[in-house]
Amino acid sequence: NAGVMQNPRHLVRRRGQEARLRCSPMKGHSHVYWYRQLPEEGLKFMVYLQKENIIDESGMPKERFSAEFPKEGPSILRIQQVVRGDSAAYFCASSLLRDRGSKNIQYFGAGTRLSVL
Amino acid sequence: EDQVTQSPEALRLQEGESSSLNCSYTVSGLRGLFWYRQDPGKGPEFLFTLYSAGEEKEKERLKATLTKKESFLHITAPKPEDSATYLCAVQVTGFQKLVFGTGTRLLVSP
Repeated sequence: NAGVMQNPRHLVRRRGQEARLRCSPMKGHSHVYWYRQLPEEGLKFMVYLQKENIIDESGMPKERFSAEFPKEGPSILRIQQVVRGDSAAYFCASSLLRDRGSKNIQYFGAGTRLSVL
Repeated sequence: EDQVTQSPEALRLQEGESSSLNCSYTVSGLRGLFWYRQDPGKGPEFLFTLYSAGEEKEKERLKATLTKKESFLHITAPKPEDSATYLCAVQVTGFQKLVFGTGTRLLVSP
């Protein structure tokens, strides 16, 4: 029973480069969430996706950030033209269903730690 | 605005010294409250979910309770391996996203 898989675990980029973070949900899960954890801050919601659909992107910065969850393959969080302020831990979570109850629990991956030089 | 506040920020206990962590919340409508544990360099690990005031859940040395304004995570006779950051999050009615508090860093000394 593989959990939520994220890669890479660590990513170093220079200012202006692109960062692509990947997330494979738990087997059978079709709901994916992305969160960001800045140093000394709590986890902040970014975006919620189902296969081929963005359901809630209320936490996504308006520029440079995008997310997708294609029919086949992992979910991708893409950050264009990275700046030092993008340095953070990015966590992906997945859930089985969206209904209230135990199947709605979000399980997290180990995260990708992005460092922008 | 939906808000979650955890206290204390940090807590140091001796092994066997029981205590409680607090999570107070202000939301338009509570769909569920979640407790997670996070170890350094790792992702949050699910512990409990509570849905209604008066509900309680237990797992080993941990017990979570819920009222209409706050939740407590009680730790009974903690061990050094219980050292971690404990995160509280709420899910608001009509939304899937979790709103997290900043966590309580727990250190249990032998």
